Amino acid sequence: DTEVTQTPKHLVMGMTNKKSLKCEQHMGHRAMYWYKQKAKKPPELMFVYSYEKLSINESVPSRFSPECPNSSLLNLHLHALQPEDSALYLCASSHAVGTVDIYNEQFFGPGTRLTVL
Amino acid sequence: DQQVKQNSPSLRVQEGRISILNCDYTNSMFDYFLWYKKYPAEGPTFLISISSIKDKNEDGRFTVFLNKSAKHLSLHIVPSQPGDSAVYFCAASADQGGKLIFGQGTELSVKP
Repeated sequence: DTEVTQTPKHLVMGMTNKKSLKCEQHMGHRAMYWYKQKAKKPPELMFVYSYEKLSINESVPSRFSPECPNSSLLNLHLHALQPEDSALYLCASSHAVGTVDIYNEQFFGPGTRLTVL
Repeated sequence: DQQVKQNSPSLRVQEGRISILNCDYTNSMFDYFLWYKKYPAEGPTFLISISSIKDKNEDGRFTVFLNKSAKHLSLHIVPSQPGDSAVYFCAASADQGGKLIFGQGTELSVKP
């Protein structure tokens, strides 16, 4: 199994809703990532989990709350979002971050297209 | 402050010819570089990578060249095929693959 899966594929939510995005990988990777991508822009890193612990938070607003229940799963909990948060949310995974002598590529999921009304 | 730059937003190439996509960076601490290909409404697909200890890496039709003194890397695709038409992102990391900084992307169009 060499893929990263994300659910749902599309999500429409109001500004008062609470929803969650889910990501799963079974490649034995110990690092997982959330990115946000707006149209015609590159992916922008939001969070990095390494060995199930949050290692990087790129000053993301608290209305986005990540969670890593185990080494295969990564969630992104959403609450009180704004219309400008509408974007493609990408999950990625890789081998352990920063391991000496190991350079490792990140494998991306297909993304969740989020629309906030 | 854009640390990774792809100055060509688009590139059109004839099928069978070579496609050359360019990328410049400013951070001399970057030690790992990657190219991703992205179709609309899909996640980026990893293509090829190179560490800063090398100047060339080849995988089939794809070759990445790194010129550290010029802080420049390029992706060569030869021969180009219509299925190569997509947006190509270069990305760089300073910590062996942790935080990736992406360029703005170049949209490649390969015409039959």
